[in-house]
Amino acid sequence: AQSVSQHNHHVILSEAASLELGCNYSYGGTVNLFWYVQYPGQHLQLLLKYFSGDPLVKGIKGFEAEFIKSKFSFNLRKPSVQWSDTAEYFCAVTVNSGNTPLVFGKGTRLSVIA
Amino acid sequence: DAGVIQSPRHEVTEMGQEVTLRCKPISGHNSLFWYRQTMMRGLELLIYFNNNVPIDDSGMPEDRFSAKMPNASFSTLKIQPSEPRDSAVYFCASSPTLISGNTIYFGEGSWLTVV
Repeated sequence: AQSVSQHNHHVILSEAASLELGCNYSYGGTVNLFWYVQYPGQHLQLLLKYFSGDPLVKGIKGFEAEFIKSKFSFNLRKPSVQWSDTAEYFCAVTVNSGNTPLVFGKGTRLSVIA
Repeated sequence: DAGVIQSPRHEVTEMGQEVTLRCKPISGHNSLFWYRQTMMRGLELLIYFNNNVPIDDSGMPEDRFSAKMPNASFSTLKIQPSEPRDSAVYFCASSPTLISGNTIYFGEGSWLTVV
């Protein structure tokens, strides 16, 4: 079964700093990859997703993620974070065959300080 | 459009009591998921349905947990009897189909505290 690893549990950045959150998955076949964001007290919302094609995916609010198949990675990036980006970020994967639900990583909490 | 609707938003109950969480998926969505979120274990998939039929309940922690989907617009997650370690946020989510890659839309969550 596929699994997702998010190595950073909590990341603290100053405003305007650059962000990169790591995500690695374990599955040898074709996958679809997602990043969800959960703002404090709210539900999870889709940030971006990768199906196929250009491995660099752009999402909402200036976020992007790059799929590197050889590294089984789908890291999330943002060049300059804002205080409003404080949230928990979840990477998720699903197998691109059959009917399988999303498998989520444990999440990375991002705290942006002024 | 209305999103996934969950109730109650918050519940505090005593150990041993029955807890019922409710979910109304997005209209037209055929797949429904129940997740549990805790600090220790993150986001866990408990059970999911497709066309009202349970597909995989291997994530349900114990027999104290049960879920039903009597029709396309309603699902319940029941805990009986509840225990303090069941305290968590329970999310319901829906998706148009189970086909890989479909976006899953989450409800606001039900925050359960068992004392």
